[in-house]
Amino acid sequence: NAGVMQNPRHLVRRRGQEARLRCSPMKGHSHVYWYRQLPEEGLKFMVYLQKENIIDESGMPKERFSAEFPKEGPSILRIQQVVRGDSAAYFCASSPQPSGAYNEQFFGPGTRLTVL
Amino acid sequence: TQLLEQSPQFLSIQEGENLTVYCNSSSVFSSLQWYRQEPGEGPVLLVTVVTGGEVKKLKRLTFQFGDARKDSSLHITAAQPGDTGLYLCMRGGNQFYFGTGTSLTVIP
Repeated sequence: NAGVMQNPRHLVRRRGQEARLRCSPMKGHSHVYWYRQLPEEGLKFMVYLQKENIIDESGMPKERFSAEFPKEGPSILRIQQVVRGDSAAYFCASSPQPSGAYNEQFFGPGTRLTVL
Repeated sequence: TQLLEQSPQFLSIQEGENLTVYCNSSSVFSSLQWYRQEPGEGPVLLVTVVTGGEVKKLKRLTFQFGDARKDSSLHITAAQPGDTGLYLCMRGGNQFYFGTGTSLTVIP
């Protein structure tokens, strides 16, 4: 019973390149959440997706960041023209139910992005 | 901003000691989750509390939800080095806010 999978675990990019982070939710989960964690800080919500729909992107920067969760395949968080300030750990979580009172989410191991 | 403040921010204790960490907000929650995150890993769900005044126990960990559902505490009895990690609270509902975190180090 595989948990949430993220790849790559570590990603190094130079300023101006694109970063693509992948997340495969737990089997049977159709709700995916992306968070960003800066060193020594807590997790900041970025976006909530269901299959083929963005439900809440209130935490997503307005430029350079996009996310998708296609009908088939993993969820993708895409960062265009990366800058040093994008260096962080990016976590994906999934849940079997829509967000609600319980809102229990299961997290992947994260992708650590380093921008040189 | 639905700020969740956790205290203390950092805590370093000897093995065998007891400790309590807190999660506070000015807003009422429908529910609250506690997670533990170890270095280099994602957060792992420990417990969900829903009812005001609710107390839940998980081995040496005791979680309490405030009567007004604005705050919560986590008490660890006889801490062990395996308890080391970042403890995060998260509000339930359709807004996804984590607390600021408490970084716990238990020294053998």
